[in-house]
Amino acid sequence: EVQLVESGGGLVQPGGSLRLSCAASGFTFSNYWMSWVRQAPGKGLEWVANIKQDGSEKYYVDSVKGRFTISRDNAKNSLYLQMNSLRAEDTAVYYCARDRGFQHWGQGTLVTVSS
Amino acid sequence: DVVMTQSPLSLPVTLGQPASISCRSSQSLVHSDGNTYLNWFQQRPGQSPRRLIYEVSNRDSGVPDRFSGSGSGTDFTLKISRVEAEDVGVYYCMQGTHWPPLTFGGGTKVEIK
Repeated sequence: EVQLVESGGGLVQPGGSLRLSCAASGFTFSNYWMSWVRQAPGKGLEWVANIKQDGSEKYYVDSVKGRFTISRDNAKNSLYLQMNSLRAEDTAVYYCARDRGFQHWGQGTLVTVSS
Repeated sequence: DVVMTQSPLSLPVTLGQPASISCRSSQSLVHSDGNTYLNWFQQRPGQSPRRLIYEVSNRDSGVPDRFSGSGSGTDFTLKISRVEAEDVGVYYCMQGTHWPPLTFGGGTKVEIK
């Protein structure tokens, strides 16, 4: 069974940093693109970033370019999102999802940016 | 960027009756490889999204056959043949043809009358 478990969310002040993790199991992690998708409170879904199987390609939504960095460790079956210079508008539940078609999703981790 | 527009925003339905959600894209979603990367997701209250349909009309494993997807080019539809109580939630379409960015529709809330 495919499982994706996010962690690392919490309350952070504007301008601060946070690192999210996603632990994957139940499939061969190194065979799949992986993605981060977020959902602001009461709002819709927004793709944030994705990364190719070997980490050689990374793509971001414009609003996070230069501030967020996606990475992966295939030996640890883990996906990461380093978030710097956080803003109030980054407040959201962050989901990790498998591949570019989002076939499987984690339960999400809440990031709150507030003073 | 490809803009995905869903309608209606809200869809009250009677149990056992059909429901239909429309999704329109700002440009054709036919990829140069011949496939059309249009997916549908369901998000029940308090839950993570779940993919129902991929590439316009293919149901994911475990998805009831009352859900069906159709369409081509820029116009797509998700249909529920007979709505059940567990179908309450928000439904999103998403395109994966012209990216980055991958883009979602704004969502359609299905509720029981």
